Amino acid sequence: GENVEQHPSTLSVQEGDSAVIKCTYSDSASNYFPWYKQELGKGPQLIIDIRSNVGEKKDQRIAVTLNKTAKHFSLHITETQPEDSAVYFCAASIYDNNDMRFGAGTRLTVKP
Amino acid sequence: NAGVMQNPRHLVRRRGQEARLRCSPMKGHSHVYWYRQLPEEGLKFMVYLQKENIIDESGMPKERFSAEFPKEGPSILRIQQVVRGDSAAYFCASSQSTGVLYEQYFGPGTRLTVT
Repeated sequence: GENVEQHPSTLSVQEGDSAVIKCTYSDSASNYFPWYKQELGKGPQLIIDIRSNVGEKKDQRIAVTLNKTAKHFSLHITETQPEDSAVYFCAASIYDNNDMRFGAGTRLTVKP
Repeated sequence: NAGVMQNPRHLVRRRGQEARLRCSPMKGHSHVYWYRQLPEEGLKFMVYLQKENIIDESGMPKERFSAEFPKEGPSILRIQQVVRGDSAAYFCASSQSTGVLYEQYFGPGTRLTVT
């Protein structure tokens, strides 16, 4: 089955710097890659997603890139703010939401 | 429109007791997913249900765990004879339909502690 690995497990940046989180997946059939943000005591919330027919997607300060050949995708957060501090999860899915496999998460801390 | 509701938010059970976790999907959503999150780990898929049907339970342990989503009322994840290893956060998510076009919305989770 699908195996998703996520790095780094923790990331600390200064406010205003960029943060990059990387994930790899094993199943070349995966075609949907969402990213979730989980704040303390809350459930994960979808922040951006990308499908296999595009290589990059951007939404304000957040962007995601996908390299299908290498089977990896990354989350980029620019101009980080303290409120970006949270745990971020990547996931990969083949074609249905119920087949979603998550990475282990990255704890991002943005220092003011 | 209220989001996905889960209760209780925190549940403490002694070994051997039963745990019942409830999930009310968002209004208009008929698909429910349950995930388990161990400390410092990602979410692990457990089971996917539609109203009155279990569609995929490939991630759920074969023994002691069961799930249902009745025609009326919330989805229930039931854990019988709990053990310490069941201590985790259990999240449910709901979606309007299946497929990547339909976002899964997560509830706040139930944190189960087995003493």
